[in-house]
Amino acid sequence: KQEVTQIPAALSVPEGENLVLNCSFTDSAIYNLQWFRQDPGKGLTSLLLIQSSQREQTSGRLNASLDKSSGRSTLYIAASQPGDSATYLCAAVYGGFKTIFGAGTRLFVKA
Amino acid sequence: GAGVSQSPSNKVTEKGKDVELRCDPISGHTALYWYRQSLGQGLEFLIYFQGNSAPDKSGLPSDRFSAERTGGSVSTLTIQRTQQEDSAVYLCASSFGQGYGYTFGSGTRLTVV
Repeated sequence: KQEVTQIPAALSVPEGENLVLNCSFTDSAIYNLQWFRQDPGKGLTSLLLIQSSQREQTSGRLNASLDKSSGRSTLYIAASQPGDSATYLCAAVYGGFKTIFGAGTRLFVKA
Repeated sequence: GAGVSQSPSNKVTEKGKDVELRCDPISGHTALYWYRQSLGQGLEFLIYFQGNSAPDKSGLPSDRFSAERTGGSVSTLTIQRTQQEDSAVYLCASSFGQGYGYTFGSGTRLTVV
């Protein structure tokens, strides 16, 4: 069964701290992996997309890595800010557009 | 348009009524997806459309749910005889296709009373 797990489910950190969010997927035959941010009551905002042939992608203070063989991806957030507080979801995309979403990590950055 | 547009943003309906939710994808995106997110839950796949191919309806929870996509663009998700358990945020996303990322709309919050 194809599953995506995100750890931790929730995380609270002080402002300025660097942090890592984890995403693991049981079926390594992914086409790509995408990280999203969701603010309360809002839709999903795409952060980073990593193709299966890539190892990492960077955007500003965000860096996402992908290790297909171990079925893992991490989202690294540098110098966290209160505005980073949101739920972060990862999604593993397989052939035929089948996409499995993780349940998300709820991040709270304290000022 | 610049993004995926969903309407209405909020809908309150009485149990047993039918509702229609609309999604306008990004122009040129051939793939369109509907997801459902219940309070505190993850995303539940409902249906996806790819070009002129038959849609993948495998995620629709019951035959009260249906969706269509006219002219390869706008999509409508219809829920007949709504039940309280249908209350959720319904999210639409579109994509250029496999290998490209998703762009989500802001969702429709459906409340069945």
